Amino acid sequence: GAVVSQHPSRVICKSGTSVKIECRSLDFQATTMFWYRQFPKQSLMLMATSNEGSKATYEQGVEKDKFLINHASLTLSTLTVTSAHPEDSSFYICSANTGTGTDTQYFGPGTRLTVL
Amino acid sequence: AQKITQTQPGMFVQEKEAVTLDCTYDTSDQSYGLFWYKQPSSGEMIFLIYQGSYDEQNATEGRYSLNFQKARKSANLVISASQLGDSAMYFCAMREGSLNSGYSTLTFGKGTMLLVSP
Repeated sequence: GAVVSQHPSRVICKSGTSVKIECRSLDFQATTMFWYRQFPKQSLMLMATSNEGSKATYEQGVEKDKFLINHASLTLSTLTVTSAHPEDSSFYICSANTGTGTDTQYFGPGTRLTVL
Repeated sequence: AQKITQTQPGMFVQEKEAVTLDCTYDTSDQSYGLFWYKQPSSGEMIFLIYQGSYDEQNATEGRYSLNFQKARKSANLVISASQLGDSAMYFCAMREGSLNSGYSTLTFGKGTMLLVSP
């Protein structure tokens, strides 16, 4: 149980285009989903927290207009990187928890974004 | 001050040996949770083990156990009988506040790279 999928796993795009990344909880309903960014050889940096049906809460320093998050249902959250630039190239990883039990976050496999 | 400290950037262990990965934490909350995740080179974050602040027993999950010393604020991960597939980055993380408090974000340490040799 507790499987989270993420799509696409890799994406290469041109500078100025927008990229959408999907995060789905496959076998449970996720009350909260989280989006992280990870630079090479570094730890995870929380970008935002999203609850179904409400606006995402962004961490300090994360541009909400740049990184649009939509949590349309209890099993789906999307992150759209708008007008992507090379500095947005990174590993983006989502997680979801059920809000019950130990509140464990289960992670998706991540998306490697490369902006040319 | 860092909330989660992992002082070992890298660790080496021989196959079949046990290894301890260190983690200390800093919080003023009475209720909190501690997690360990494994991140292989593929990038996915794999949940390994959880310890609640009120749990009296150390958590165990197969070859993984958590040496929880509350007074010292440490939550070290012990991997017994290391396998080649255990080579990965290991992250310690903390959730502050009580369960279902509506504040369930995690703070991660910088990680420890474990290399298991034959």
